[in-house]
Formats: sequence, C-alpha cells, structure tokens
Amino acid sequence: KNEVEQSPQNLTAQEGEFITINCSYSVGISALHWLQQHPGGGIVSLFMLSSGKKKHGRLIATINIQEKHSSLHITASHPRDSAVYICAAASNFGNEKLTFGTGTRLTIIP
Amino acid sequence: DTAVSQTPKYLVTQMGNDKSIKCEQNLGHDTMYWYKQDSKKFLKIMFSYNNKELIINETVPNRFSPKSPDKAHLNLHINSLELGDSAVYFCASSFPPPDTQYFGPGTRLTVL
Repeated sequence: KNEVEQSPQNLTAQEGEFITINCSYSVGISALHWLQQHPGGGIVSLFMLSSGKKKHGRLIATINIQEKHSSLHITASHPRDSAVYICAAASNFGNEKLTFGTGTRLTIIP
Repeated sequence: DTAVSQTPKYLVTQMGNDKSIKCEQNLGHDTMYWYKQDSKKFLKIMFSYNNKELIINETVPNRFSPKSPDKAHLNLHINSLELGDSAVYFCASSFPPPDTQYFGPGTRLTVL
C-alpha cells in the first residue's frame, strides 16, 4: 500500500462540473503539495498547504491534518483543466522528502 | 527566462553507455532535486541537495551520481546505463523546504 493514496485514478466530467480529487496519506507530514502535469509532460506546483484551505482562481485545496486527508476542487471545470493531478506528502522527519501519489487523470469534455 | 532548465530534453542511448543530464535554476533557490518518473507515470525522489550538500539520497543504484558545482546547478551522471533506467527525469528547485518546488521540463531518457 502506498503511503500516499489518491482517488479516483481516472475522472471524466463534462465542462462546467465541480471536480473533487482526494488524497490520503499515512505518514507524518510537514506539508502537502498538489501538482499538475500537463499532457505535454510539464509539472506545475498548484498548492502547498499544511493546514486549512487555499484558493487560487477556480482551484481550491483543503487539508484535514487529523484525518490525514486533502482534497483538490476545481469549480466550473474547463477542457484546459484536463491533466494529471498529483498529490505529494512532504515528510516531517527533517529532510522534507516528497512521497507522491499515483495521480488522477482528469478529462473534461466540452 | 526559463526558471528551471534541463538539457537535453531527449536522450537516446545504448545500454552500457555513460550519460549526463544537466539542470540549472535561476531562481536563487538553495535546494535542488532529481526525480524519476517511470513508465506508469509514478514520480519518486532520487536526490536532494541543499547549498551543494547532499541531504536526500534514496535507494538509487550507485551508477547514478549527482554533482552540484554550485547551488544553481545539479547535474545527474549515469554510468553503465541499463534498460530499466529508461524514464523521464525531472529536476526541481525550491527555497529550504517545505516550500513550493519548481520543476524543469523533464529529460526523457531511452536506453536501447
């Protein structure tokens, strides 16, 4: 079992739908990262959070430290949101090593 | 200006060869990383350097040797390449963690 689990693995939705991607982790963390990998392969950091909630445009990330769970939400989804979304847990053992989830492949249909 | 750059973007080589991948960042970051993304798109940390000092060295074969000539550069040298080394290798950088990491465009290595 991975230390970081994501669900769903694949998600297809219609344009405009509200999207939720979940991430659960079993390790102690100092922070939780959400990354986006474009179809072309490039990786962009979306959020880094250690508590509460962060918002950037149509993207919202939340984390519940007690439940060891984080969610990434996309409001008013658009075909350009189609990508792989990856969560990564930063270890709290001092070296801040990132352990990655397996990713969620999101496809938004026009 | 590209924040984190890697060269080459593609690398095709024969088994047994030695190759290097270069990474440079112009963000003034202290910490740099190498990640490997396998054929199933799973990312895994290989190495991390902070101010030219190795701080993470995962269970990577010693055929892989990172070299950091200065804090803006972290190169990856691979000896005696094997088929299983075929993957996409990403360099990244950040201020001392935990902090947002900025990724390079990746280097797709194919070993024939």
